[in-house]
Amino acid sequence: QKEVEQDPGPLSVPEGAIVSLNCTYSNSAFQYFMWYRQYSRKGPELLMYTYSSGNKEDGRFTAQVDKSSKYISLFIRDSQPSDSATYLCAMSVGNAGNMLTFGGGTRLMVKP
Amino acid sequence: DAGVIQSPRHEVTEMGQEVTLRCKPISGHDYLFWYRQTMMRGLELLIYFNNNVPIDDSGMPEDRFSAKMPNASFSTLKIQPSEPRDSAVYFCASRPTSGSLNEQFFGPGTRLTVL
Repeated sequence: QKEVEQDPGPLSVPEGAIVSLNCTYSNSAFQYFMWYRQYSRKGPELLMYTYSSGNKEDGRFTAQVDKSSKYISLFIRDSQPSDSATYLCAMSVGNAGNMLTFGGGTRLMVKP
Repeated sequence: DAGVIQSPRHEVTEMGQEVTLRCKPISGHDYLFWYRQTMMRGLELLIYFNNNVPIDDSGMPEDRFSAKMPNASFSTLKIQPSEPRDSAVYFCASRPTSGSLNEQFFGPGTRLTVL
């Protein structure tokens, strides 16, 4: 079993829909949680970053962490075709910038 | 800022050949990371450097893989001899020591195909 599990999708939604992306993990020592967005044939780029449990909002994006359930989510409101990409969750135990463990990624397609 | 630069962008080689992937991190970044991405295994950290010194290479799959960072602006990942199962996209990333997000900045990747 992988340390971080993520549904690979693809997830197809109409423009304007609310999107929910999720990851589960097994290592209770993870403290830093990130979401990266990866466009086709590009490198990942950091989208959201949270420490420990709770919510964080940035524009149309909201990240949630539930450490008791070992479950994290990314919500995208008013989804746009430009949101079409693969979304990777990532986690780390200590210093957030180094030993990252990534989920396999969920491919999202937002149709106009 | 040009971002992280990787070369070549695409590499096709035959089994048994030596492959060298190159990376130029963002100027001023003290950390450099090498990752491999495949459909089966996702994005995996292979090795990372701090101030040109390898800190953790536990992700390097086997002795056929080696990485060097001779100076702050250049790193290589070498595979010798290459095998078909090494086919993947290899990413280099860098980050600065300072900054609250500790965000890693990824390059565009090198798509390696070993025939």
